[in-house]
Amino acid sequence: DVKVTQSSRYLVKRTGEKVFLECVQDMDHENMFWYRQDPGLGLRLIYFSYDVKMKEKGDIPEGYSVSREKKERFSLILESASTNQTSMYLCASRLAADTQYFGPGTRLTVL
Amino acid sequence: EDQVTQSPEALRLQEGESSSLNCSYTVSGLRGLFWYRQDPGKGPEFLFTLYSAGEEKEKERLKATLTKKESFLHITAPKPEDSATYLCAVRNHGSGNTGKLIFGQGTTLQVKP
Repeated sequence: DVKVTQSSRYLVKRTGEKVFLECVQDMDHENMFWYRQDPGLGLRLIYFSYDVKMKEKGDIPEGYSVSREKKERFSLILESASTNQTSMYLCASRLAADTQYFGPGTRLTVL
Repeated sequence: EDQVTQSPEALRLQEGESSSLNCSYTVSGLRGLFWYRQDPGKGPEFLFTLYSAGEEKEKERLKATLTKKESFLHITAPKPEDSATYLCAVRNHGSGNTGKLIFGQGTTLQVKP
């Protein structure tokens, strides 16, 4: 079975803090994705990576950055957290085939 | 503009009452349509991928079908454990090798015993 894990299920941070969300997949997948999910807005793509050290902006990259130093790990970074970044963050990965497999999600609250 | 619309937004069924969820899409060349199930507070769980009109896939009480404009997720004799939000997503030709998906808003299904 494909396994995608995320470092935290729940996270509470203060405004202005630097926040790291980690995602690890164990299936040697080439592509990895970060989404955020908000009520009424659905899943929105923040960034994706198609290879180590390669990344592309998604639909809502503002306020976020990413890092992919190893194939199995994709990190989402909030340089200076703000309250409007309170959300559910979902990581996904896929091989050359189409299906994306999701992690369990991180519920981030920024106070 | 590529778009995915799911209906209804919410659906309440009695246990055993069969029904269908709809996913309508407008994309510039379909490269795949995906169904996911999402339980509250968890990540989406992959169910099916459909690639061409006429294709059907089944898993337990769920059956997904695809036409040129929409997909249906049929739920036969649902049980309370089928309660979840069902997400539909499409991939278009413009996504290249990125695998980028366009998601619908989801249908929240509640099955009462």
